[in-house]
Amino acid sequence: SQQGEEDPQALSIQEGENATMNCSYKTSINNLQWYRQNSGRGLVHLILIRSNEREKHSGRLRVTLDTSKKSSSLLITASRAADTASYFCATAQGEGGKLIFGQGTELSVKP
Amino acid sequence: GAVVSQHPSRVICKSGTSVKIECRSLDFQATTMFWYRQFPKQSLMLMATSNEGSKATYEQGVEKDKFLINHASLTLSTLTVTSAHPEDSSFYICSATPYQGYEQYFGPGTRLTVT
Repeated sequence: SQQGEEDPQALSIQEGENATMNCSYKTSINNLQWYRQNSGRGLVHLILIRSNEREKHSGRLRVTLDTSKKSSSLLITASRAADTASYFCATAQGEGGKLIFGQGTELSVKP
Repeated sequence: GAVVSQHPSRVICKSGTSVKIECRSLDFQATTMFWYRQFPKQSLMLMATSNEGSKATYEQGVEKDKFLINHASLTLSTLTVTSAHPEDSSFYICSATPYQGYEQYFGPGTRLTVT
């Protein structure tokens, strides 16, 4: 399969808790990106981390990248009900920059 | 920020007909556009990469004669699903980038239902 793996496939937490999603991939990458998708809607770009970076922050989001293990994690702190969505990692590969998406994590944040 | 639109947002067609979906970059010139397909509860699968003025590059397993892609200008790419069948029912999403390797900007998607 061209896709990477994400776990968990589904995650249900209470508002205020932290949510951690993991992504693994198979080939060398230029960068790794995280996206959010609300049900039936388009993608929202969250954060991009380059292959030479190890950690990046954006608001309540923290992304780590371990190229030796070919894995990344997305941490959402102090989650809100509005964070309920599917989250996908995507790796940019090759000169053309095409994105290969992971299978996604469906996050449910209960108020 | 860069905006990409898709038209239509939803389309229902009968089996055997063809459907055209448009993808436009509204405030930048897109040398490269990508087309993805997403089935319910699944991830996005890249179908093809199109560069302005040249033939699209299709991913393995994607029928180029069934999914016709035309990137005729720097702001418009079209995907035509020919002789559509119920199994082609899906969410089709395009993305555009001003140059290869740069960030991709995604359209809102088109929901295709073939009856």
